[in-house]
Amino acid sequence: ELKVEQNPLFLSMQEGKNYTIYCNYSTTSDRLYWYRQDPGKSLESLFVLLSNGAVKQEGRLMASLDTKARLSTLHITAAVHDLSATYFCAVDSEGGGADGLTFGKGTHLIIQP
Amino acid sequence: SAVISQKPSRDICQRGTSLTIQCQVDSQVTMMFWYRQQPGQSLTLIATANQGSEATYESGFVIDKFPISRPNLTFSTLTVSNMSPEDSSIYLCSARQGLAGKDTQYFGPGTRLTVL
Repeated sequence: ELKVEQNPLFLSMQEGKNYTIYCNYSTTSDRLYWYRQDPGKSLESLFVLLSNGAVKQEGRLMASLDTKARLSTLHITAAVHDLSATYFCAVDSEGGGADGLTFGKGTHLIIQP
Repeated sequence: SAVISQKPSRDICQRGTSLTIQCQVDSQVTMMFWYRQQPGQSLTLIATANQGSEATYESGFVIDKFPISRPNLTFSTLTVSNMSPEDSSIYLCSARQGLAGKDTQYFGPGTRLTVL
């Protein structure tokens, strides 16, 4: 059974600081997704990482994937309040996505002024 | 990117009744899925909606409880049958779109269901 573990599950940080969210998964997968969810809203796609060593950046967020370590990271640089949200990582189940995604439990991020 | 709409956006239902949720995508997609997100929790895949054939259900979900239809490439329905308070949750439709190997999965706004 594929398992996806995120840590931390809850993070409170101050504006201007840097931090990293970690996502470990238990089986081989060559694709990993990061989503953002604001309270009461649906999921917004942030990144799709397609291969080992992939790195993508958008604004203050940077995601990377190490398929050998089965690890992805989401790095936040100089955090701002607008980044407060819950962040989920997810991986394709076996079969290249035919079975949908398996999600981590999410990281609830609060950025305080 | 695919734009996904769902109806209803929310509903309050009585125990023992059924609710059908509709999902419409603005363009053809390869795969459609239904997920459940219980309050404060992560997302759990219910099933893959297959066009013209029976849906593929994940462990713990059965067709009698969650019948799914997908008559074409852009539309699907999920019915929550014989509801109980434990079915109170957000139900999200999702669609996969893009070139093979570079596709991503988009999510609808969700249907917030409360069962009394």
